[in-house]
Order: sequence, then C-alpha cells, then structure tokens
Amino acid sequence: AQKVTQAQTEISVVEKEDVTLDCVYETRDTTYYLFWYKQPPSGELVFLIRRNSFDEQNEISGRYSWNFQKSTSSFNFTITASQVVDSAVYFCALSEANFNKFYFGSGTKLNVKP
Amino acid sequence: EAGVTQFPSHSVIEKGQTVTLRCDPISGHDNLYWYRRVMGKEIKFLLHFVKESKQDESGMPNNRFLAERTGGTYSTLKVQPAELEDSGVYFCASSEETRGLAVNTGELFFGEGSRLTVL
Repeated sequence: AQKVTQAQTEISVVEKEDVTLDCVYETRDTTYYLFWYKQPPSGELVFLIRRNSFDEQNEISGRYSWNFQKSTSSFNFTITASQVVDSAVYFCALSEANFNKFYFGSGTKLNVKP
Repeated sequence: EAGVTQFPSHSVIEKGQTVTLRCDPISGHDNLYWYRRVMGKEIKFLLHFVKESKQDESGMPNNRFLAERTGGTYSTLKVQPAELEDSGVYFCASSEETRGLAVNTGELFFGEGSRLTVL
C-alpha cells in the first residue's frame, strides 16, 4: 500500500534558523514520484518540487534543498536561513507513475518567528 | 491566467442536508482531482477525472457522494445526505494531460478549498 508519513505535526523556529521537514514514504512500485507542496494561509497548495524514483540526486533551489534517499524511503526538505514568509503548512506527496492518484502526508505546520 | 477556483469557500449545513461543491479547473486541463482533508489529517484522494470520464473513484467514501464533470470542464461534488463525518476541507486540483506539446509532469494546481461544516 502507498503511504506518506510526516511525523512532525508542527515546528517552530526563529528567523534565520535552518529547519528540516521529514517525509517517509511506502510504496511497492519501482517507478513513482515524490513531491513537496506549500500551503500558505490563503489555502491553496503550491507545488515546490517533483522527484522521480530513479533520480536520487539532491536538489537545491535558493534557500530550499531536498534530500531523497531510497535506502531509507525518505524525501526530506530543508529550509536554510528561514524567513517569516516560510510560515505555512508543508505537504509531502507520493504519486504512481501515471499520476492517477496522489498520496499526501498529514502536513507539517512551520512557524517562523521574527 | 485564472487558477483553479472553488465555490463555496465555506459551507455550514445541518446533518441530512445536501451540499454541492463546484470546481473550475484551469482552462485546458483535462485532469481534475478531488481531495479531502479532515481535521488536520492527511489529504485523501477522492477521485480523478480525465475530461468527463472518471478515471479512478476508489477514494469516494460511499454512495452519498456524487461527482460529475459534464462536458469535461467544471466539476461538481454533491454530498447527499451530509453526515457529521463529512466535515472537512475539499480540495480540487487540475493538471495537464500529455497530448501534443503539453506534458503531464504531475504538478497539480490546487484551488483554495471548500470548507464544509456539518452540524
């Protein structure tokens, strides 16, 4: 069965601190995709990144970086030098190869305090 | 370009009543999904349309839920009769399907959600 676990319900940090959001997934598929979405207070989820199961290279985009490790079935998200605007709920998701169905975690609420 | 829009943003109804949620996807997006998040838990899949056809409705909780997408444009999700456990935020998302120059990358475009409260 497919499943995504985000064990951290809520994290609070002070601005400029680094923070890592954990994501662990379960799947029997050999081809799958992993995603991170950000949900700001307005409510809509906003796409951040997609990774396929054959690409374990870590990715960096500005202050954001992602660490994909198949050996531990994890796809963790790190924000470096956090800012107040990073405050949001972050969701990790897993998709089948055909994008028919997506499995989301329960989300991690990040509070960045000034 | 307009994003995914959902209506209403919030609905409060009594148990046993009927509610219809509407989703207007991004123009040209053949894929349309409905998801639900209950009480801070995970966002759960309800169903997936490709144009007007139901590709997968395995996530629909029971026959009190009916989704339609006539003409392959906007979609409605009707709950009849509503029960207390139906309360939650219903999200709609759309994406492109691979055809011509368009490629389905799996990126979903979400609406802001419709919050349903059943009393």
